[in-house]
Amino acid sequence: ETGVTQTPRHLVMGMTNKKSLKCEQHLGHNAMYWYKQSAKKPLELMFVYSLEERVENNSVPSRFSPECPNSSHLFLHLHTLQPEDSALYLCASSQDFGVNSPLHFGNGTRLTVT
Amino acid sequence: EDKVVQSPLSLVVHEGDTVTLNCSYEVTNFRSLLWYKQEKKAPTFLFMLTSSGIEKKSGRLSSILDKKELFSILNITATQTGDSAIYLCAVCPAGTALIFGKGTTLSVSS
Repeated sequence: ETGVTQTPRHLVMGMTNKKSLKCEQHLGHNAMYWYKQSAKKPLELMFVYSLEERVENNSVPSRFSPECPNSSHLFLHLHTLQPEDSALYLCASSQDFGVNSPLHFGNGTRLTVT
Repeated sequence: EDKVVQSPLSLVVHEGDTVTLNCSYEVTNFRSLLWYKQEKKAPTFLFMLTSSGIEKKSGRLSSILDKKELFSILNITATQTGDSAIYLCAVCPAGTALIFGKGTTLSVSS
């Protein structure tokens, strides 16, 4: 149990599907993140929310749409994805954003786009 | 452009060996450097370093930061098969999220 729970663990979707990834943190943290991890590449930051407001969006295509309804939950809505979007999507949280505060990661969702 | 470079990218050792993993960085407004271990899915936090020359230690793992030369090393002594993982280095600039390196994949054979 990492304190950050992601569902589903695995997801296979076609390019025309719409699906959502869910993340929940039980640590009382104020910041939540979505990262993409592809083989042989550094972890890529996608979105950051601090106190439920988006504070960073790293030029992510609009086919990825985040939602943060409260400080404990974070969603990533997916639609019309491409095969190159197949990757491990990691959610993380930290006590606060922009200060020396380690990230706590979930186990990730392994996404395959066919 | 901020960047974090880890070396080597992969490493194979025998149980009992000592390994040193490297992380160099170029970032503006450096605040801290962090090491993570990723075995199957979730990266788990190992160390956060903010000051030069002060070694952080946890069991067989230790790490130190050199802010003048802009690098950090992670040492693992008496390696075990359970140390096999990807080791991620990340740097925290002021006011923004962590920047990660590509990681070092360590394989420890029995």
